[in-house]
Amino acid sequence: EPEVTQTPSHQVTQMGQEVILRCVPISNHLYFYWYRQILGQKVEFLVSFYNNEISEKSEIFDDQFSVERPDGSNFTLKIRSTKLEDSAMYFCASSEARLAGIDTQYFGPGTRLTVL
Amino acid sequence: SQELEQSPQSLIVQEGKNLTINCTSSKTLYGLYWYKQKYGEGLIFLMMLQKGGEEKSHEKITAKLDEKKQQSSLHITASQPSHAGIYLCGARVENSGGYQKVTFGIGTKLQVIP
Repeated sequence: EPEVTQTPSHQVTQMGQEVILRCVPISNHLYFYWYRQILGQKVEFLVSFYNNEISEKSEIFDDQFSVERPDGSNFTLKIRSTKLEDSAMYFCASSEARLAGIDTQYFGPGTRLTVL
Repeated sequence: SQELEQSPQSLIVQEGKNLTINCTSSKTLYGLYWYKQKYGEGLIFLMMLQKGGEEKSHEKITAKLDEKKQQSSLHITASQPSHAGIYLCGARVENSGGYQKVTFGIGTKLQVIP
């Protein structure tokens, strides 16, 4: 069964460093998403991406964050200068299509980011 | 206040018992999803509900959407240890800018005792 994959599974970085989290969405999906979950807190939406541009983003997704689809398969989240509070589990998701604004999103296993 | 309130926040049941988890939105719902998450892992899609009164079942899990009450319930029949995990409801709701956004509840942690 097709699935969303994410690498690495765990990333440890020093505060102020740049990190790139990678995702391979399901191959025929057109919409891509990033979410994060700080330990013990709820899953929070960061950004959605369609047709090579951001379609929605939350207040969390500030100038430190960027997303890119560098080729036909990868979808990346870059954090330019990491802060301690960026430590969280980052989930990538993808969906096939949006029907009247509703879509089924399939999630990857997550990347645990630890900022020291 | 939370946009999506889940109750209870945790639940311990004996294997074989039935249970219900509720999810209530403070805003108009434009679709509701149920996911299951094992600790430290990704979210597994269970069901999506779009229309008021809609009810879906998968194996021993049934979810219903009450659009008027802006509420959904997830019911597990004859629970098994494999049902243990964190159940998350997620929904598209309208934000202050008039656009829809995706939001999640805090989750309900379910333990099933053999």
